[in-house]
Amino acid sequence: DQQVKQNSPSLSVQEGRISILNCDYTNSMFDYFLWYKKYPAEGPTFLISISSIKDKNEDGRFTVFLNKSAKHLSLHIVPSQPGDSAVYFCAASEGTYKYIFGTGTRLKVLA
Amino acid sequence: EAQVTQNPRYLITVTGKKLTVTCSQNMNHEYMSWYRQDPGLGLRQIYYSMNVEVTDKGDVPEGYKVSRKEKRNFPLILESPSPNQTSLYFCASSLNSGGPGETQYFGPGTRLLVL
Repeated sequence: DQQVKQNSPSLSVQEGRISILNCDYTNSMFDYFLWYKKYPAEGPTFLISISSIKDKNEDGRFTVFLNKSAKHLSLHIVPSQPGDSAVYFCAASEGTYKYIFGTGTRLKVLA
Repeated sequence: EAQVTQNPRYLITVTGKKLTVTCSQNMNHEYMSWYRQDPGLGLRQIYYSMNVEVTDKGDVPEGYKVSRKEKRNFPLILESPSPNQTSLYFCASSLNSGGPGETQYFGPGTRLLVL
C-alpha cells in the first residue's frame, strides 16, 4: 500500500504562472516531509522540507504547505521557469531513518 | 568537489551472476542509503546505514545485501540477481544520523538490466 501518493503523474504550466504539485499521505505518524527535484540522468536533489509542527515553509520561489488534518502537502512554485521542468518527488519520515517517497510528478514549464 | 559517486553507471548482467554496485561519498557523512526507482513506484528504500557497521532494512530489502566497513563506502550486493531487480539504483548520504528532515545527497544513479 502506497503510504505517500502523488496522484498527478504530470503537470504542464506556462512560464511565469504558478505550479502546484500535490502529495497525499496515509500515515499520521509522519513528522517530516521533503520535496526533491530530479532531472533526467541525474540523482534527486533536495528542494525544501517541512516539519509537522509547521504548516508552511518558504524558500525563494518555493513554498511547501502542510495540512495535517487532510494528510496533504503541496509545493508551490512561483513564478515557474523553464528550468523548473523536472520530476518532483515528495518524501516522508516518521522520526526514523526510513524514508517513504511518492511516485513523482513530471512538471513541464512551457516557455 | 563534494559528491556521491556510484559505479558502474550502467550494467547488463544475467540471472544469478553476483554483482556489486559501489557507492562512495567524500563528505564524511554518517548516514548512507540505497534506493531503487521503478516506473509508477517512485523511489523505494532498500537498505540504510546510520554509521560504520550499523545497517538496517528499508522497504524492499529482499535479494540485496549491504555492508558498511568504512564511513565513505556503502556497496550494494546482489548475490543472485533476478530480472525483477532490473531498475535504476541511487545511493544517498546525509551528514548526521539521517534523522527526520535531514537533507540527503544522491548519487547519479546506476541503471541495471538483468537478463
